[in-house]
Amino acid sequence: DTAVSQTPKYLVTQMGNDKSIKCEQNLGHDTMYWYKQDSKKFLKIMFSYNNKELIINETVPNRFSPKSPDKAHLNLHINSLELGDSAVYFCASSLLSVNEQYFGPGTRLTVT
Amino acid sequence: AQTVTQSQPEMSVQEAETVTLSCTYDTSESDYYLFWYKQPPSRQMILVIRQEAYKQQNATENRFSVNFQKAAKSFSLKISDSQLGDAAMYFCAYRSHSGTYKYIFGTGTRLKVLA
Repeated sequence: DTAVSQTPKYLVTQMGNDKSIKCEQNLGHDTMYWYKQDSKKFLKIMFSYNNKELIINETVPNRFSPKSPDKAHLNLHINSLELGDSAVYFCASSLLSVNEQYFGPGTRLTVT
Repeated sequence: AQTVTQSQPEMSVQEAETVTLSCTYDTSESDYYLFWYKQPPSRQMILVIRQEAYKQQNATENRFSVNFQKAAKSFSLKISDSQLGDAAMYFCAYRSHSGTYKYIFGTGTRLKVLA
């Protein structure tokens, strides 16, 4: 059974479009994260939710909007996509009180 | 603010040999966690090993072990008996034990295993 899943795994779209990436975890964790990994493999946190409450909100363009409908789901909506948004986006989850994160398989977003 | 530095962008090791990947970090906190994650070409991030800062004993997981030097703020990963499947990007990560528990990742080291 998949612990942290993301859909889609690949996303190719044109500049200016709006797209969403979905994440689900079945580990019973209370905290979920979105990371962006750029072409140089640098991994940077974007957002984190704990029990549906936003606890980490890094300096990210406001075209990016996370939504957590419940503890098991965290979605990322991106408006007006730009070329620089091309990257791999990872979802992860953990228990806030426990230290290790589990990552999803990533979504490779390509903006043309 | 905490930082994590991996000074080796790329390393190579012969199959069956031992290799050590370096990681240094900067923090003013006394309690925190350190991790090594592996990212193979499949791009899945896999936890390799973790270390609690309050523990003096170095963590080990089968062929993987760490050398944790708290005073020097150093956290290196040793891979023994390297296998072809060890070829991957390795990321060192730091997590605070308080506040928002944010994870901070290093820039990664690409490990090549030579047959």
